Amino acid sequence: DTEVTQTPKHLVMGMTNKKSLKCEQHMGHRAMYWYKQKAKKPPELMFVYSYEKLSINESVPSRFSPECPNSSLLNLHLHALQPEDSALYLCASSAVPSRFAGELFFGEGSRLTVL
Amino acid sequence: AQSVTQLGSHVSVSEGALVLLRCNYSSSVPPYLFWYVQYPNQGLQLLLKYTSAATLVKGINGFEAEFKKSETSFHLTKPSAHMSDAAEYFCAVSEYSSASKIIFGSGTRLSIRP
Repeated sequence: DTEVTQTPKHLVMGMTNKKSLKCEQHMGHRAMYWYKQKAKKPPELMFVYSYEKLSINESVPSRFSPECPNSSLLNLHLHALQPEDSALYLCASSAVPSRFAGELFFGEGSRLTVL
Repeated sequence: AQSVTQLGSHVSVSEGALVLLRCNYSSSVPPYLFWYVQYPNQGLQLLLKYTSAATLVKGINGFEAEFKKSETSFHLTKPSAHMSDAAEYFCAVSEYSSASKIIFGSGTRLSIRP
């Protein structure tokens, strides 16, 4: 099984809503990532979890709150978002967290629209 | 900090023609370099990676890339383009100073003409 599964695929929310994006992998990977991708742009790193601990936070606003309940699951909790937060949110994993993260396995993404 | 620069935001080739997508890197230490592909409405998929074992790297779907230290380049090539190669291609570098961090280039959209 070499898949990273993200749910939901599409999400529309208002600025006062609270919602969550979910990501799951069963490859035994110990590093998991959240990326944000705007149209026609490269993915931008948001958070990295290594061995279920937050190791990198790229100065992401607090309205985005990551959570890693266990080594297979990664959540991104969303609250009080702005329309400019509309984007494709990609989850990825890699075998081990290291100086050379290397091969990332990506999910298909959750496309978020904030009204 | 390490970085990659992709030359050309859009490349168009005819089916059967050579594909050449350009990537230059900036690094003070030997880098790990990657090419990822993104098809419409999908996540990214690794095409190939350079980890200093061999300068010519072969990947999936007939793609290959050559690491040239003297030119600080890692260009992606494919001898004969196929319609299914139409996608966005990202060059990426693994940052030396931080754990688990990949820096992506701005991307090149590849179009294939029939």
